[in-house]
This record gives sequence, structure tokens and C-alpha cells, in this order.
Amino acid sequence: DAGVIQSPRHEVTEMGQEVTLRCKPISGHDYLFWYRQTMMRGLELLIYFNNNVPIDDSGMPEDRFSAKMPNASFSTLKIQPSEPRDSAVYFCASKTDRGGEKLFFGSGTQLSVL
Amino acid sequence: LAKTTQPISMDSYEGQEVNITCSHNNIATNDYITWYQQFPSQGPRFIIQGYKTKVTNEVASLFIPADRKSSTLSLPRVSLSDTAVYYCLVGDRLPQTGANNLFFGTGTRLTVIP
Repeated sequence: DAGVIQSPRHEVTEMGQEVTLRCKPISGHDYLFWYRQTMMRGLELLIYFNNNVPIDDSGMPEDRFSAKMPNASFSTLKIQPSEPRDSAVYFCASKTDRGGEKLFFGSGTQLSVL
Repeated sequence: LAKTTQPISMDSYEGQEVNITCSHNNIATNDYITWYQQFPSQGPRFIIQGYKTKVTNEVASLFIPADRKSSTLSLPRVSLSDTAVYYCLVGDRLPQTGANNLFFGTGTRLTVIP
């Protein structure tokens, strides 16, 4: 299994531009999570899905952030418009319903908003 | 609201056993205790999970006292490659687990010295 795949690995954009981050979870996993990591705040849970349905998006910072999971093998996190304070590493993770708290993380997307 | 408390950082010499303690005074009956490891530029990686007493795998041991208000991750004979951030999480295994159950916090930065 290739693990959780995220793209792009790095993204540099200018303030005001739309940014789309992509994630392919491990096949057969029921849950998908989006996290953001910064030096100041550590790892923050933004939103998570169960069977493609958003369960809790209370961690999404603002309306500028949106996440979708159109099918079991793909999810996107979109920021529109982007701001410099959105600069962070964004991780996607997935797990099975039987996996307890054992999450499998992708390699992350390093986002820089200039 | 953070459910766990860990030391911010620890140093250890190569070959030593390292014990990282996590406090979770408000742990609930259904909560499991999970530890993750994160290297720079990578996503967190699951290490070990337990409910009570002692759990051991090929990487680490997890000690949980009877009152379960704390837990200790034990890494035997650490090497330079064990330098990483270690996170303690507390959460239950129910499918509709709330976002707080997957809160990573700031973790413990372990530095292994030659």
C-alpha cells in the first residue's frame, strides 16, 4: 500500500490566490482527517470525515477554508482567498473504523502564502 | 481544552532508556491512550496504544497505572534516530469520537545526544 498521498508537496502562492490541497487516503479507510501544523499552535485538527461525510469542522479557522470528500479515495482542502497567516504544513490522515486512534499520516503539504 | 500534559522537551544520551510521562487527569472510562512520533518534515507516526497496565511492542513500552491518570512511554536504548517529537493522545474508540479525542497538543521534543 502506498500510504496516504498528498499533493502538492510544496505550494508557494501570493496572498489572495486560491489554494487547493489534495489527499488520497489509504484504500479501505473509513475516516479522513485534515490537520494544520505551525510552530506557534502545533498540530491542529481542522476537519474530519467518516464515510465521506463531514463529522466535525469546528477546527476550520474561517469561512475561507472549505473541505470536500466527493468519494472514498479523494479529498480536497481549499483556501480562498489565501492569507500569509495560512502558511503552515497541512497534513491529511486516515484510519479504519476498527483502528482505534491509529492514524496514518501523509507527508504533508508545505504552504507558503507571500 | 487540552486533555493531556507532557514535558516540552527532554534530552538523553545514546544508549539510555527514555521515559516520557503524560498526565491525563480527566481521562474517561472509555478513553484509550495513544502515542505518536514525529520527525522533521514528516507526518506523525503511530507508536503504541493502551488502556491499562502495560503494553509492549517492537518499538516501545507503555506503562499505565491503575488510576490511569498518567501514562509513561518508555523507549529502550535510544539512538540518534529517535530524536523526534512525541505526542500523547487520549480518546475513545467509538465511531463518533469527538474532535477533542484527536488533539495532539505540543508534544515532547526528545533530543538524543551522542
